[in-house]
Amino acid sequence: EDKVVQSPLSLVVHEGDTVTLNCSYEVTNFRSLLWYKQEKKAPTFLFMLTSSGIEKKSGRLSSILDKKELFSILNITATQTGDSAVYLCAVGVMIKAAGNKLTFGGGTRVLVKP
Amino acid sequence: DGGITQSPKYLFRKEGQNVTLSCEQNLNHDAMYWYRQDPGQGLRLIYYSQIVNDFQKGDIAEGYSVSREKKESFPLTVTSAQKNPTAFYLCASSIFRTAEAFFGQGTRLTVV
Repeated sequence: EDKVVQSPLSLVVHEGDTVTLNCSYEVTNFRSLLWYKQEKKAPTFLFMLTSSGIEKKSGRLSSILDKKELFSILNITATQTGDSAVYLCAVGVMIKAAGNKLTFGGGTRVLVKP
Repeated sequence: DGGITQSPKYLFRKEGQNVTLSCEQNLNHDAMYWYRQDPGQGLRLIYYSQIVNDFQKGDIAEGYSVSREKKESFPLTVTSAQKNPTAFYLCASSIFRTAEAFFGQGTRLTVV
């Protein structure tokens, strides 16, 4: 059975701090690893990672994948209150006829205090 | 505007009743998915469909049914056989060979 585990479950930081979120996985037919941010309702896409060791960056957010050790981290630097959200990690696995399905972790809830 | 539309946003039903949640997309995506989210938890896959007239069970399909008669539409029926139907339901879609999924705004179902 495919498994995706995120840690920590939750954390509280102050504005300006740096946070590191972890995601480990055990899946068959790995295709990609994705990070999403969920504030109230619909998760919004942040990154998709397919290659080991290549950092992806978007503003204060960055992420990297280690396919040998089967994990990824998401870093948020200089946090702001608007970064408060649940961050979801998902792994895309290949299914029949070259399709995909996403298996999600339980999420990490981040609260950034002013 | 292209996107995924779920309706209704909130739904209340009595125990024992079947209820259908709507999901429509105009992104021309081949694949569509239904997920369930319980408070404080991640998303769990209920059903997915890669092409019209074909769909597969996900990890928690018991008590749910779907259809995919049109590319744009993937309705989910929560049947009376689902033991704990109260949850937040999210529909998503993606291009066939791409894992990146786009989500609708969700339907919060409460069964009383």
